[in-house]
Amino acid sequence: DTEVTQTPKHLVMGMTNKKSLKCEQHMGHRAMYWYKQKAKKPPELMFVYSYEKLSINESVPSRFSPECPNSSLLNLHLHALQPEDSALYLCASSPAGSNTEAFFGQGTRLTVV
Amino acid sequence: GENVEQHPSTLSVQEGDSAVIKCTYSDSASNYFPWYKQELGKRPQLIIDIRSNVGEKKDQRIAVTLNKTAKHFSLHITETQPEDSAVYFCAADAMKTSYDKVIFGPGTSLSVIP
Repeated sequence: DTEVTQTPKHLVMGMTNKKSLKCEQHMGHRAMYWYKQKAKKPPELMFVYSYEKLSINESVPSRFSPECPNSSLLNLHLHALQPEDSALYLCASSPAGSNTEAFFGQGTRLTVV
Repeated sequence: GENVEQHPSTLSVQEGDSAVIKCTYSDSASNYFPWYKQELGKRPQLIIDIRSNVGEKKDQRIAVTLNKTAKHFSLHITETQPEDSAVYFCAADAMKTSYDKVIFGPGTSLSVIP
């Protein structure tokens, strides 16, 4: 299994809602990432988990809350988002950090209304 | 901080011609340079990568060159086909600040005209 699976594929939420994005990989990768991507822009790093521990938080607002329940799962909890948070949210994993290939999930297209 | 620049931002070529995309990076400690292709509405996928102990790497119609002294690396696509149309991102690992971070270039939108 060489896939990174994200759910849901699409999400529309109101500014007062709470929702979660989920990501799963079964490749035994030790690093997992959340990226935010706006149209025609590169992926923008949000969080990195290494061996299930948060290793990087790129000064992301607290309305985004990551969680890594185990080595295969990564969640992103969303609360009180703003319309400007609408974007494609990509999960990725890599075997051993930034000097190895990153495998991306297909992303969750998030719209905040 | 660390930075990766990429040129051109858009590129149109005729089918069968070659395409070249160039990147420069600022972190002299970077050792890993991947290239990702992202088709419209799809996920980024690695197409080729190169490490600092190698000057050139080739995979069929795709090649990457690295000049560590000048901190430049380039993607070369030969005999382009319409299915090569996509956004291409170069990247470099940010070893100076974090073992887990990759810096992406801003992207090149490649159009191959049949």
